[in-house]
Amino acid sequence: DVKVTQSSRYLVKRTGEKVFLECVQDMDHENMFWYRQDPGLGLRLIYFSYDVKMKEKGDIPEGYSVSREKKERFSLILESASTNQTSMYLCASTKGTDFGYTFGSGTRLTVV
Amino acid sequence: KQEVTQIPAALSVPEGENLVLNCSFTDSAIYNLQWFRQDPGKGLTSLLLIQSSQREQTSGRLNASLDKSSGRSTLYIAASQPGDSATYLCAVRGYSNSGYALNFGKGTSLLVTP
Repeated sequence: DVKVTQSSRYLVKRTGEKVFLECVQDMDHENMFWYRQDPGLGLRLIYFSYDVKMKEKGDIPEGYSVSREKKERFSLILESASTNQTSMYLCASTKGTDFGYTFGSGTRLTVV
Repeated sequence: KQEVTQIPAALSVPEGENLVLNCSFTDSAIYNLQWFRQDPGKGLTSLLLIQSSQREQTSGRLNASLDKSSGRSTLYIAASQPGDSATYLCAVRGYSNSGYALNFGKGTSLLVTP
């Protein structure tokens, strides 16, 4: 089975800190994604990457950046964490447009 | 922009009932549609993937249908069990964002009571 692994299940960070969320997939998928999930708002796309070193903004990229230096790893960076970035962050990967998504188990981030 | 709507938002049924969850989407130009299950505080687990050329997919007690022209999908759960209690999410892969990204509904929260 394809596995998408997010490095942390729970994180607590202080306002203004630089935060790194890591995601690794083991099935050689080209496409990787970062979503955030909030009550009442559902899942919203932050950034995605369709190839190494390639990235595209999603619907809510403000306050975030990403890095994809290797095919299997996609990092989400909060440049200066703020309380409104407290959320559940979900990483996903897929092989291509005809294939389904596989999600990681999520990182619950709290910014205090 | 693709809008995905799931009805009902919440559903409570007694164990053993058959049930139907609904999903509608506004733009029929899609690659595929995927149903997920999410347990509280956890990630998403894929249940079924239906390609735009398909009408339905089945896995065990689950059956998902797709009517692309009318912008509708249903997830049928047969003989529900308490272990089926979770939030069910419908997601559509359309041509926006170059066809890479999924657009999600807000989910149906299902409770199956013993």
